[in-house]
Amino acid sequence: QKEVEQDPGPLSVPEGAIVSLNCTYSNSAFQYFMWYRQYSRKGPELLMYTYSSGNKEDGRFTAQVDKSSKYISLFIRDSQPSDSATYLCAMLQGGSEKLVFGKGTKLTVNP
Amino acid sequence: DTGVSQNPRHKITKRGQNVTFRCDPISEHNRLYWYRQTLGQGPEFLTYFQNEAQLEKSRLLSDRFSAERPKGSFSTLEIQRTEQGDSAMYLCASSLALGAGANVLTFGAGSRLTVL
Repeated sequence: QKEVEQDPGPLSVPEGAIVSLNCTYSNSAFQYFMWYRQYSRKGPELLMYTYSSGNKEDGRFTAQVDKSSKYISLFIRDSQPSDSATYLCAMLQGGSEKLVFGKGTKLTVNP
Repeated sequence: DTGVSQNPRHKITKRGQNVTFRCDPISEHNRLYWYRQTLGQGPEFLTYFQNEAQLEKSRLLSDRFSAERPKGSFSTLEIQRTEQGDSAMYLCASSLALGAGANVLTFGAGSRLTVL
């Protein structure tokens, strides 16, 4: 079993839809949870960063972490064609520098 | 300084040849990381440096791989005797470690290796 599981999709939605992206994990030592966005032929860029359980909102993006279920989510409201990219969840143990990524979910937002 | 710079962006080589990738991090960042990403997968950690010291290496980093950061600035990743399985995107990232808590990594655009 991989430490981090993420459905690779692809996921295709119409513009304006609410998008829900999810990851599950098995390592209870993970304390930091991140979402990266990766456009084609580019490196990943950090979207959201959460420490431990809870919610965090930034504009149209909301990240949720449920440590009891080992489940994290990213919600995108009012999705735009420019949101079309691969979304990667990533996790980190305290005191470690080794980010563990999911496979990524490829999202397409159709105009 | 506009970000993490990686060169070359794409390298095509024949099996058995040696290749070297260079990463120039954001200048004030003291930590530098190498990750490898294959098609349809997320990045996998290879190694990281704090200044010039290499502090952690993944088991993925076989003895054919060597990374250096000689003066705590730019870094090189060399792959000797390349194999087709080495074909991947090699991503460099840097961060400024300020103490407790996770560091925010800034990734470069990557160097894509194709081994024929």
